[in-house]
Amino acid sequence: NAGVMQNPRHLVRRRGQEARLRCSPMKGHSHVYWYRQLPEEGLKFMVYLQKENIIDESGMPKERFSAEFPKEGPSILRIQQVVRGDSAAYFCASSSDRLLFYEQYFGPGTRLTVT
Amino acid sequence: EDQVTQSPEALRLQEGESSSLNCSYTVSGLRGLFWYRQDPGKGPEFLFTLYSAGEEKEKERLKATLTKKESFLHITAPKPEDSATYLCAVREAGNNRKLIWGLGTSLAVNP
Repeated sequence: NAGVMQNPRHLVRRRGQEARLRCSPMKGHSHVYWYRQLPEEGLKFMVYLQKENIIDESGMPKERFSAEFPKEGPSILRIQQVVRGDSAAYFCASSSDRLLFYEQYFGPGTRLTVT
Repeated sequence: EDQVTQSPEALRLQEGESSSLNCSYTVSGLRGLFWYRQDPGKGPEFLFTLYSAGEEKEKERLKATLTKKESFLHITAPKPEDSATYLCAVREAGNNRKLIWGLGTSLAVNP
């Protein structure tokens, strides 16, 4: 059973460009979570999605950031018009559809560098 | 406000020197406490889930325990390969599966 997959692993964008980060959850998982982490800082929750629905986006900036999890295909975190402050590691996690199994399994992350 | 606090922020041990990491929480109705390990440049790796006070789980040199207000991660006779950041997260009552995260304890084990 493959784990959570994220691509690309490293992404370099110039200021003003768009960044698209992809996440494929583990098999049997339809709950996806996106986190952001700066060096020496903790995980910051951004958004929680279930297939075709955004459940909680309380941690996501209102402007320039969006997330989706379509019926088919990976979840996408999209950052428009990137700025230097968006440089960070972005982690995706997924959890099981089964009741009482709430632990989240993480992917390897995408490291975004904005030049 | 719901909160998860981990202490100490950083801990340096000699190989074989046992110690404990603490995770205290203030949430309305705990529905699970989770421990993770994170190595530099990698995603967090799931270790344990605890659901009720008095529960204990073990894995190799690690043992996690839970009370009504806090959890401890005990590390017995640590080795250098146990060096990592250990993260704690909690899930509160309700249908939302979102977890509330602590900032972690950075553990370094010297040979």
